Amino acid sequence: DAKTTQPNSMESNEEEPVHLPCNHSTISGTDYIHWYRQLPSQGPEYVIHGLTSNVNNRMASLAIAEDRKSSTLILHRATLRDAAVYYCILSREGGGKLIFGQGTELSVKP
Amino acid sequence: EAGVAQSPRYKIIEKRQSVAFWCNPISGHATLYWYQQILGQGPKLLIQFQNNGVVDDSQLPKDRFSAERLKGVDSTLKIQPAKLEDSAVYLCASSFHFRGVYEQYFGPGTRLTVT
Repeated sequence: DAKTTQPNSMESNEEEPVHLPCNHSTISGTDYIHWYRQLPSQGPEYVIHGLTSNVNNRMASLAIAEDRKSSTLILHRATLRDAAVYYCILSREGGGKLIFGQGTELSVKP
Repeated sequence: EAGVAQSPRYKIIEKRQSVAFWCNPISGHATLYWYQQILGQGPKLLIQFQNNGVVDDSQLPKDRFSAERLKGVDSTLKIQPAKLEDSAVYLCASSFHFRGVYEQYFGPGTRLTVT
């Protein structure tokens, strides 16, 4: 399974945009890119996923590099509730098996 | 829509004792997963069911862990006997197929402490 690399932690200010990077240089053509986040004392929750094109939903945007070796999760206006660990995960052909890494711990300052 | 339900939320046992966790997935979700999350780490998949069949149990320590999903709906995960290193949060998730992927919904987890 292809691996992802994320910074251990990031800080942002409330109501400012946040760009969370993820490197996946060994991604294969059929690997989907998923983002999940885990708020304190809760189970992970789905944020967004994509294959080749950029994606938008009510929670966030996913920008995928043209060579697909990296992607960026964009939170357009961070709130205190967005403080969480964000996981970038690849899945082969969209299959159910998700291999979680350490993720990026995002803190949001008022 | 009701989410994934898990019980109990917390459990404290002594090493060598047995423990069981229960999970009720979201109605209609055919795929169910059990994860183990040790403090400070990301969740690790233990077992994946499709309906009542096992798809992947490669990371399940089968000498002490067992799981079943008899009627393709709710599921139980058992540890017998427990070791200190089994202290973790046990997460259950269920999923449906959407836009080419399985979008997973997680329960709140069961925090197990083995003393």
